[in-house]
Amino acid sequence: NAGVTQTPKFRVLKTGQSMTLLCAQDMNHEYMYWYRQDPGMGLRLIHYSVGEGTTAKGEVPDGYNVSRLKKQNFLLGLESAAPSQTSVYFCASSPFLPTKLDYEQYFGPGTRLTVT
Amino acid sequence: AQTVTQSQPEMSVQEAETVTLSCTYDTSENNYYLFWYKQPPSRQMILVIRQEAYKQQNATENRFSVNFQKAAKSFSLKISDSQLGDTAMYFCAFMKHPGTYKYIFGTGTRLKVLA
Repeated sequence: NAGVTQTPKFRVLKTGQSMTLLCAQDMNHEYMYWYRQDPGMGLRLIHYSVGEGTTAKGEVPDGYNVSRLKKQNFLLGLESAAPSQTSVYFCASSPFLPTKLDYEQYFGPGTRLTVT
Repeated sequence: AQTVTQSQPEMSVQEAETVTLSCTYDTSENNYYLFWYKQPPSRQMILVIRQEAYKQQNATENRFSVNFQKAAKSFSLKISDSQLGDTAMYFCAFMKHPGTYKYIFGTGTRLKVLA
């Protein structure tokens, strides 16, 4: 049971390049989330999904797109990277009906992205 | 819209001492959950403790406890008998309930435990 995994762990992009971050979870969770973490700003929600085939915008969605074609995977895309997107990106998942009614989110290890 | 404020960017505490991290939030919702997450240098986010707003009793988990003051919209974390392994960034988070399980995080408090 790997939990939540993220690929890649590190990436350097040039301005204007595109890339996709992959998040995978093996806990059969319905909900998945993408956050970015910047110094002094905590974690901010980019996009989230409440189930396979669904996505919704979070607090800071501009410049990002997402897809949830399979329940276990949640992809985050940057079509044209900008230096302002330099950040650490976290994926998280949560069960729809938490067995313990605890609403815990389970986080991946993060991806450090630098855009030059 | 809800907001979460952590007014202490950095704190330090001597090993074995007690430290309290503060968190305030603003909401018009009556039912919600509050969380404290720990992020050690490994960057992995770990749930420390949670509190349901409709429960008046403060949550405790071993050396970690909260002081939940609903009227004051305050949710502080107390760490007793601090250990070197408690050195981490601590984030307070708010979740409206019912809802889509979205969190709103504070900006974090960096805690250093000194030997």
